[in-house]
Amino acid sequence: QKEVEQNSGPLSVPEGAIASLNCTYSDRGSQSFFWYRQYSGKSPELIMFIYSNGDKEDGRFTAQLNKASQYVSLLIRDSQPSDSATYLCAVNANAGKSTFGDGTTLTVKP
Amino acid sequence: KAGVTQTPRYLIKTRGQQVTLSCSPISGHRSVSWYQQTPGQGLQFLFEYFSETQRNKGNFPGRFSGRQFSNSRSEMNVSTLELGDSALYLCASSLATGENGYTFGSGTRLTVV
Repeated sequence: QKEVEQNSGPLSVPEGAIASLNCTYSDRGSQSFFWYRQYSGKSPELIMFIYSNGDKEDGRFTAQLNKASQYVSLLIRDSQPSDSATYLCAVNANAGKSTFGDGTTLTVKP
Repeated sequence: KAGVTQTPRYLIKTRGQQVTLSCSPISGHRSVSWYQQTPGQGLQFLFEYFSETQRNKGNFPGRFSGRQFSNSRSEMNVSTLELGDSALYLCASSLATGENGYTFGSGTRLTVV
């Protein structure tokens, strides 16, 4: 079992729709959870982090964490073509070490 | 505020050679992590340095090594290069523990021929 698993994708949604990206992790001791966005040919860029169970909202993005289910999700509301990218889920179990999932590629169609 | 700077951007090396990659973190960031990214394996953790000490290590062979200097700049070295080492090598920095996430550099694209 991989330490961090994401929807295999690719995921395609129409412009204006809600995109839902999911991630599960295996280490129950994990403390911090992150979503990064990576455009083709670019390096990952942090978009959200969350520590506590529940929802965290930042603009059109909402991260959701359920530690009991070892599940993290990212919702993108009012999806735009510029949101088309690969989204990487990452988990910190140790200070200074992030383990990444393989990513889910999202395409937002105009 | 300057971002994370990696040099060089591109490298072509021959099998058996060695290579050194450099990373300058954001000013004030003391933790530097290195990742290898390939299409088949995704982002794989190599190692992390904090205050000149290797604090975490991934599952890579001993040919992969690194160090961190007193100014937090870090170097990564790969000896006896193999074709499979061709990848994008990414450096990321954070203040201390990475609990607020990392800022990545643009990466070094290494091609081994």
